[in-house]
Amino acid sequence: KAGVTQTPRYLIKTRGQQVTLSCSPISGHRSVSWYQQTPGQGLQFLFEYFSETQRNKGNFPGRFSGRQFSNSRSEMNVSTLELGDSALYLCASSSGGYTGELFFGEGSRLTVL
Amino acid sequence: QKEVEQDPGPLSVPEGAIVSLNCTYSNSAFQYFMWYRQYSRKGPELLMYTYSSGNKEDGRFTAQVDKSSKYISLFIRDSQPSDSATYLCAMSAKKGNNRLAFGKGNQVVVIP
Repeated sequence: KAGVTQTPRYLIKTRGQQVTLSCSPISGHRSVSWYQQTPGQGLQFLFEYFSETQRNKGNFPGRFSGRQFSNSRSEMNVSTLELGDSALYLCASSSGGYTGELFFGEGSRLTVL
Repeated sequence: QKEVEQDPGPLSVPEGAIVSLNCTYSNSAFQYFMWYRQYSRKGPELLMYTYSSGNKEDGRFTAQVDKSSKYISLFIRDSQPSDSATYLCAMSAKKGNNRLAFGKGNQVVVIP
């Protein structure tokens, strides 16, 4: 069974630009969550989508947005990039029922210059 | 104060030693407690999952939860070089809620 796939794996942007990251969950999983990981703050929850609806949202500014498609694939977008947005962005999928297990992808490492 | 505190200091131990990791938390609503392991350049993977207070053992790994003290622990017995990774505690308040609060993680190095 294929795991969670995130693209691109690495990207470099400059301040003020925007970026779109993509996540394909494990087949059959309907929930996709996004997390930001930085050395200073650790893993922080961004948002969760379930069946194309945002089910949960973390404490990030409106520049961070996401969506989920009918095939459960998800994208997140960050607009007007700031230096502090440099981070590893992790996507995690789950079946939607709560087993305590999120299956994480390898992440998209964003560097903002 | 962060909801979950995990002293992020690195930990180096000789092969075969017991590794002891812990987290404290402030939100008394947390009921579901997890430990994730993250290898370099990989995403976290679930190691242990416990509900409420108590102990859970899985092979060389033991997770303990003390809700009265708001304290959770992970013990790794007979540590192996393959256990070298970052260990993150995580917790949530609600069943069905994938909004997890994570600790910052401990980098563990097991020296052969």
